[in-house]
Amino acid sequence: DTGVSQDPRHKITKRGQNVTFRCDPISEHNRLYWYRQTLGQGPEFLTYFQNEAQLEKSRLLSDRFSAERPKGSFSTLEIQRTEQGDSAMYLCASQLTGTGGSISILEQYFGPGTRLTVT
Amino acid sequence: AQSVTQLGSHVSVSEGALVLLRCNYSSSVPPYLFWYVQYPNQGLQLLLKYTSAATLVKGINGFEAEFKKSETSFHLTKPSAHMSDAAEYFCAVSRSYNTDKLIFGTGTRLQVFP
Repeated sequence: DTGVSQDPRHKITKRGQNVTFRCDPISEHNRLYWYRQTLGQGPEFLTYFQNEAQLEKSRLLSDRFSAERPKGSFSTLEIQRTEQGDSAMYLCASQLTGTGGSISILEQYFGPGTRLTVT
Repeated sequence: AQSVTQLGSHVSVSEGALVLLRCNYSSSVPPYLFWYVQYPNQGLQLLLKYTSAATLVKGINGFEAEFKKSETSFHLTKPSAHMSDAAEYFCAVSRSYNTDKLIFGTGTRLQVFP
């Protein structure tokens, strides 16, 4: 157990429905990442937050996807109008980084993931 | 742009044999390199990381990796495989100055036979 939790662990939904996932990072960690992992592939970066600010979004993150981290603690990832191609494992990772422009090379701690199946 | 290539999607070894998982990287800036392990239905766990200090990096569970700039490689090795090493292994690279997002390879599934 890394200390990063994700809820739910599994989600089955029908095409066209909306889904929301939650990630609770390690409490003092200021950076939070979302990745997507499809079968047989490595995780792909989706987006990340520094505290409550969303600083980067991948081109993989279509306008049906939205992520928030309202108080700089937990984060949610919502997918609207799900498609079968959205079926994947969604991984969250948290990290404690330096401030003031210092190089941050510390470990990202991954949660167990949420497996989404769109039928 | 950065990328990693993992040669061999599946590797099979006998228990007690040498484990060698290959990773080559491409990076326009000095890279930070990582190896992660993933057990079924679990998240990723960091095995080791290269952060421009020593080129030979030792990690958990007896694994180590050597950064070779001339070969743009960061292969993962373990002298003697255990049954418990059976898992998926991912090599990843990141820049360090703007963001620490990880760029992963496609993974190598390690099977260990008794």
